[in-house]
Amino acid sequence: DAGITQSPRHKVTETGTPVTLRCHQTENHRYMYWYRQDPGHGLRLIHYSYGVKDTDKGEVSDGYSVSRSKTEDFLLTLESATSSQTSVYFCAISDGGAGAEKLFFGSGTQLSVL
Amino acid sequence: GENVEQHPSTLSVQEGDSAVIKCTYSDSASNYFPWYKQELGKRPQLIIDIRSNVGEKKDQRIAVTLNKTAKHFSLHITETQPEDSAVYFCAASTVSTGRRALTFGSGTRLQVQP
Repeated sequence: DAGITQSPRHKVTETGTPVTLRCHQTENHRYMYWYRQDPGHGLRLIHYSYGVKDTDKGEVSDGYSVSRSKTEDFLLTLESATSSQTSVYFCAISDGGAGAEKLFFGSGTQLSVL
Repeated sequence: GENVEQHPSTLSVQEGDSAVIKCTYSDSASNYFPWYKQELGKRPQLIIDIRSNVGEKKDQRIAVTLNKTAKHFSLHITETQPEDSAVYFCAASTVSTGRRALTFGSGTRLQVQP
């Protein structure tokens, strides 16, 4: 499996608090992604990065920001957590190619916003 | 942007039977179509993929077919086994100004009855 780790694995927080999730890779892959997984919705793209300091929004980016200051780390921040952001968050990496191609996922972060 | 529809949402088959999951996509520019399998509590993992210049691809008991004209693609699992029980996601790549991301379908929960 690709070297990708997410932290924390589980987090419980209160509405209105900021939360940061971390994704760390050891593969030196160019592309990194944040998806959220909710029942009935599959995996929905929040933000992705195509290089250091290069990021773009996905389909459900409202309420989220990201940063990538170095190749190996991609941070997802919930500025002010809401109950609707309770979800499982997956980070993924890809070395690119003709398409997004061959995503390798982290183990996920279960986030509960109370 | 790309929209991927996946059917059925749940599928129950007897061990040894075949299973078929179907997806449609909206963006005619999409050129890469992977399938991911997610076992309970685990991360999604790539099981097979197909590019737009290929109509069919097989890997042991699984196969994927693509109809570009109709913009749909399907996953076929033959001789199903209990370990095939999982959630399966189709996806399509969205290519836009050099940036890449996968759009996923909503998932199909496959249950193989022993």
